[in-house]
Amino acid sequence: DGGITQSPKYLFRKEGQNVTLSCEQNLNHDAMYWYRQDPGQGLRLIYYSQIVNDFQKGDIAEGYSVSREKKESFPLTVTSAQKNPTAFYLCASSGQGGGQPQHFGDGTRLSIL
Amino acid sequence: AQSVAQPEDQVNVAEGNPLTVKCTYSVSGNPYLFWYVQYPNRGLQFLLKYITGDNLVKGSYGFEAEFNKSQTSFHLKKPSALVSDSALYFCAVRDPGGNFNKFYFGSGTKLNVKP
Repeated sequence: DGGITQSPKYLFRKEGQNVTLSCEQNLNHDAMYWYRQDPGQGLRLIYYSQIVNDFQKGDIAEGYSVSREKKESFPLTVTSAQKNPTAFYLCASSGQGGGQPQHFGDGTRLSIL
Repeated sequence: AQSVAQPEDQVNVAEGNPLTVKCTYSVSGNPYLFWYVQYPNRGLQFLLKYITGDNLVKGSYGFEAEFNKSQTSFHLKKPSALVSDSALYFCAVRDPGGNFNKFYFGSGTKLNVKP
């Protein structure tokens, strides 16, 4: 079954700690995305990547970093510089055609200890 | 700049009644429009899309959407609501221009279907 896998489902961060959220897809999609969702809110784009070894900042990239070394994988690191990291993080991918929708993983909920 | 607006934070409807969730968009060029649904603690699920052609598009779970170019709207509809339709709904547009891989989302509309 093709899809997007995010892990872990729940993650806790201590003060001053960096944490990495995993996102893997087997849909052979070129584009991948990270969004942040706060309670009762919409989606805000953190980073996106259109191709391996390339990525662009979204609207709220400060305090986050990404890498795209493989087509299948797009991990997100929440650094200690992100002072309010508690949120629901969603990873997505899409094909290149204009009519291609995004496919989403089931999210990682990050909380501060 | 591309943008999407969902003017209602919440829509309440009784089970069995028709439902409409509103979406308006602003894009330069022909829009690629999408509707997604999100259940609690889950990712977004794709419902339907408009690319070109017939203005009424049909999607999953009995949902449909009407594209209106003159009103720049893409409202989501269902003839008879179910309690299980209660969820958060997002409208999105894919940038038809230079930044083709970027999607713009509305703020979401919470649909409450009461028995």
